[in-house]
Amino acid sequence: SQTIHQWPATLVQPVGSPLSLECTVEGTSNPNLYWYRQAAGRGLQLLFYSVGIGQISSEVPQNLSASRPQDRQFILSSKKLLLSDSGFYLCAWQRATYNEQFFGPGTRLTVL
Amino acid sequence: EDKVVQSPLSLVVHEGDTVTLNCSYEVTNFRSLLWYKQEKKAPTFLFMLTSSGIEKKSGRLSSILDKKELFSILNITATQTGDSAIYLCAANQGAQKLVFGQGTRLTINP
Repeated sequence: SQTIHQWPATLVQPVGSPLSLECTVEGTSNPNLYWYRQAAGRGLQLLFYSVGIGQISSEVPQNLSASRPQDRQFILSSKKLLLSDSGFYLCAWQRATYNEQFFGPGTRLTVL
Repeated sequence: EDKVVQSPLSLVVHEGDTVTLNCSYEVTNFRSLLWYKQEKKAPTFLFMLTSSGIEKKSGRLSSILDKKELFSILNITATQTGDSAIYLCAANQGAQKLVFGQGTRLTINP
């Protein structure tokens, strides 16, 4: 069966510090991978998605970036965090020819 | 611009009541409509709807899609406190992307 991992689960960072969130998927190959951000009590905003190694599509302009160095690894980064980067970050995977996406446990980021 | 709109944004009912959650969508290359339940952390998948008029059921939950009017509803009968959650709907756009609504926060009081 497939599982998706995210870490860390919780992170508190000062404004201007760097960020690296990691997501890995097990039990499948060549998945589509996604990063979402969710503000408190709101819907999910798609930030980035990837259909293969090194292939990244950005959905919204911002100071975040994403990378996919391996087939089942997806990383969300920032060089300098802003207060507005606070939120709940979710990683998801999807089989390339299917519609359902499955979510990881999420990382709650607080920027102070 | 692609968009998915859910209503109501918040709903409080008593245990045993029946609720109907609404989701309307306007997306290009629409393929399917998905419903998720989010309690504490990760959203969990409930239903995927691709055809109009065909109801999908899972226990007390059911959902249906109207592709002509571009909306879907999620019904929950005989609600329980464990149904309290944020319910998210999402439209699948071109197979690779989901466009999410704002979510409906459902609270079931005992």
